[in-house]
Amino acid sequence: EVQLVESGGGLVQPGGSLRLSCAASGFTFSSYEMNWVRQAPGKGLEWVSYISSSGSTIYYADSVKGRFTISRDNAKNSLYLQMNSLRAEDTAVYYCASEGYCSGGSCALGNWFDPWGQGTLVTVSS
Amino acid sequence: EIVMTQSPATLSVSPGERATLSCRASQSVSSNLAWYQQKPGQAPRLLIYGASTRATGIPARFSGSGSGTEFTLTISSLQSEDFAVYYCQQYNNWPLRTFGQGTKVEIK
Repeated sequence: EVQLVESGGGLVQPGGSLRLSCAASGFTFSSYEMNWVRQAPGKGLEWVSYISSSGSTIYYADSVKGRFTISRDNAKNSLYLQMNSLRAEDTAVYYCASEGYCSGGSCALGNWFDPWGQGTLVTVSS
Repeated sequence: EIVMTQSPATLSVSPGERATLSCRASQSVSSNLAWYQQKPGQAPRLLIYGASTRATGIPARFSGSGSGTEFTLTISSLQSEDFAVYYCQQYNNWPLRTFGQGTKVEIK
């Protein structure tokens, strides 16, 4: 079974830093492009960042550019999000998500998000 | 940025009835549109991609249609487990994928 499990969330003061992790299992992590998507409490979904399967191509939403850094370690089947200079408006549940996957000989790959992890809550407050 | 607008914000439907949710894009996204279902406290789940292709394991009562700027998600006969929030998402303007604000389907 394909599974993504986020960790590292918590309460941090404005201006502080936090590093999120996403552990992947049940699929060949190194073959898949990955993303972070966030959801502020009671609000909708916002794409945050993308990283290619090799890690050579990276993109960010304007709202986090220059403050957040996405990375991955394919040997450890893990995705990361280093968040610096955190603001109150960064408070959200952060999800990691693949851009499709292959399972049981069948593939559905594209620029949508599937599967998703269960999310980790980041609260920025003094 | 492509703005996605969903309507209505809330849809009240009785179990067994049909639900029709709409999603409009501020510019054409071709068929590069996905739909997700999200229940309280859970991550979103992919239902539809390519505007009309059901994801693995999604029941046939869920169907998607449309192209360009107008899209529809139809749930043919609502089951108790279908009451949730539904989001559309465009991926035509990759990597800047954008979501609609969601439609909550509630029990009438």
